[in-house]
Amino acid sequence: DAGITQSPRHKVTETGTPVTLRCHQTENHRYMYWYRQDPGHGLRLIHYSYGVKDTDKGEVSDGYSVSRSKTEDFLLTLESATSSQTSVYFCAIRTADRANTEAFFGQGTRLTVV
Amino acid sequence: DAKTTQPNSMESNEEEPVHLPCNHSTISGTDYIHWYRQLPSQGPEYVIHGLTSNVNNRMASLAIAEDRKSSTLILHRATLRDAAVYYCILSGGGADGLTFGKGTHLIIQP
Repeated sequence: DAGITQSPRHKVTETGTPVTLRCHQTENHRYMYWYRQDPGHGLRLIHYSYGVKDTDKGEVSDGYSVSRSKTEDFLLTLESATSSQTSVYFCAIRTADRANTEAFFGQGTRLTVV
Repeated sequence: DAKTTQPNSMESNEEEPVHLPCNHSTISGTDYIHWYRQLPSQGPEYVIHGLTSNVNNRMASLAIAEDRKSSTLILHRATLRDAAVYYCILSGGGADGLTFGKGTHLIIQP
């Protein structure tokens, strides 16, 4: 295992409520990512971080915010959850942003918005 | 990142070799070819990557065409545990990570 823990692993929440997903790593990797995966799609990048307090938007960032106050933790927040945000969320880490650097993924968080 | 094209699904028999193709005709000279797989209900898992030469590791081999416009992931002796979605990804570097397509769903028959 690459030392990545996602919490919670499963969550059911109501439309309009705030939700925070946590990604915790023990590898001290600089780069961290949040993806979502929906049926019929591959993984799509939501937000990423290239250091403490350094974050940027990915392909599908609308409705999501992130924070990284410590190297080991990357939080994904849905300010007001909608049914379209029902998905499986994956966190990933990388040591560097070079083309030959592999990524390691967490086990995923299954979020259902009702 | 440049785009890749993979078959939607492939089927193979247990204990036989599997060749998973990937086309990437718009690859740039500095793009690495990465392969990941995703087992059911799990996160993606790194398999292998390469630039120009063929690569081998304990999980698989990667054969890269001389013009680099295509590559093949080779599982030498498939087991039922190799049933997964396999993603071929081009990585040119950069902080924004890897771009996933839909991959190839590999089915292994006993």
